[in-house]
Amino acid sequence: DAGITQSPRHKVTETGTPVTLRCHQTENHRYMYWYRQDPGHGLRLIHYSYGVKDTDKGEVSDGYSVSRSKTEDFLLTLESATSSQTSVYFCAISDPPGREQETQYFGPGTRLLVL
Amino acid sequence: GQQLNQSPQSMFIQEGEDVSMNCTSSSIFNTWLWYKQDPGEGPVLLIALYKAGELTSNGRLTAQFGITRKDSFLNISASIPSDVGIYFCAGLGSGGSNYKLTFGKGTLLTVNP
Repeated sequence: DAGITQSPRHKVTETGTPVTLRCHQTENHRYMYWYRQDPGHGLRLIHYSYGVKDTDKGEVSDGYSVSRSKTEDFLLTLESATSSQTSVYFCAISDPPGREQETQYFGPGTRLLVL
Repeated sequence: GQQLNQSPQSMFIQEGEDVSMNCTSSSIFNTWLWYKQDPGEGPVLLIALYKAGELTSNGRLTAQFGITRKDSFLNISASIPSDVGIYFCAGLGSGGSNYKLTFGKGTLLTVNP
């Protein structure tokens, strides 16, 4: 593994409650990403960060917000969880030497169940 | 947006057989990546391809970046039971500051001992 941890690894919560997932890296990589993985959809990008306090939306960003106050931490927040946000969430990191040398490394995932 | 078509969706093979899977797109990609995911784990990078026409091997795995930059394939030779898992292709598009990968939906590989 590329020095990426996610917490919690499993979480059950109720509809309407806020949830924050944490991704922590020890690689000092500049870029960090949050994906969700659902059957039939594969991996879809939620948000990504290209530096401290620099973030941008992915293809499925509605209902999610992110923050990056330190290089090593990238937080994903569900302000008011819904059942459609039940999924497996993966964090990824990258630090390409050039735009054409992109390689992303993934964390172990967080399984979230919203009841 | 960009889409990747990965095939086959699933494969059921006998140990020792060779496997081939591929990804195609209507868009051009500058980078192709192949990942493997075991149950309950995150995807693990197998092979990265950065140049059109590039052929790269990693042990029993071989992958190629299509010359048109719109496709890639992954071959696994002499499959073993631990090859079981889901294989994903991913492409990085061209233009702008796009560091966002587009993923195929995966190929589920089952290997019978």
